[in-house]
Amino acid sequence: GAGVSQSPSNKVTEKGKDVELRCDPISGHTALYWYRQSLGQGLEFLIYFQGNSAPDKSGLPSDRFSAERTGGSVSTLTIQRTQQEDSAVYLCASSLEQYFYNEQFFGPGTRLTVL
Amino acid sequence: AQSVTQLDSHVSVSEGTPVLLRCNYSSSYSPSLFWYVQHPNKGLQLLLKYTSAATLVKGINGFEAEFKKSETSFHLTKPSAHMSDAAEYFCVVSLNAGNKLTFGGGTRVLVKP
Repeated sequence: GAGVSQSPSNKVTEKGKDVELRCDPISGHTALYWYRQSLGQGLEFLIYFQGNSAPDKSGLPSDRFSAERTGGSVSTLTIQRTQQEDSAVYLCASSLEQYFYNEQFFGPGTRLTVL
Repeated sequence: AQSVTQLDSHVSVSEGTPVLLRCNYSSSYSPSLFWYVQHPNKGLQLLLKYTSAATLVKGINGFEAEFKKSETSFHLTKPSAHMSDAAEYFCVVSLNAGNKLTFGGGTRVLVKP
């Protein structure tokens, strides 16, 4: 079956512009996660959704970052007024449920470059 | 709070020789532990997971890991390295409600012919 998909695969933007990153989870997976992978910080958690609600937003680095999930499926991560330090690979993952023993399946990521 | 430390940022092995990737964790509760692999320009793939069942966990591609609570370790091993094992490996812990993953810093494996 289809895995987690993300779009775009690459995004180059100018400092100060807004960007939207999209994630399509595996069908039937109720939990969805966003992570960021950067050279300086490694892999870090951003936010997770259970259904359409986000019980844990603790990893969002600033109020320029927001995310939503609609219909318990597709999620969009929005970064407003992008900064050069936002350059990273943004990874999305989904799992059947939000329990700690469930495997998370990762998408290929969106590479964001802020000039 | 939970944390993960991968003791080696780079490991170089010859093809056909054993691989050992070291991982130590800290947590207040019994964690779930995972090893993920990331090949160049590819997504993260689960190698194996420990969730309080057997302490010796077998994964894909001949990898296995042993959970040692007394040492708070979860080292990854493979008896014989293959060229296709060249990748970055992440030790990961999860224990919070919501399954938020905490990643180690990664170990990049180089396999020499």
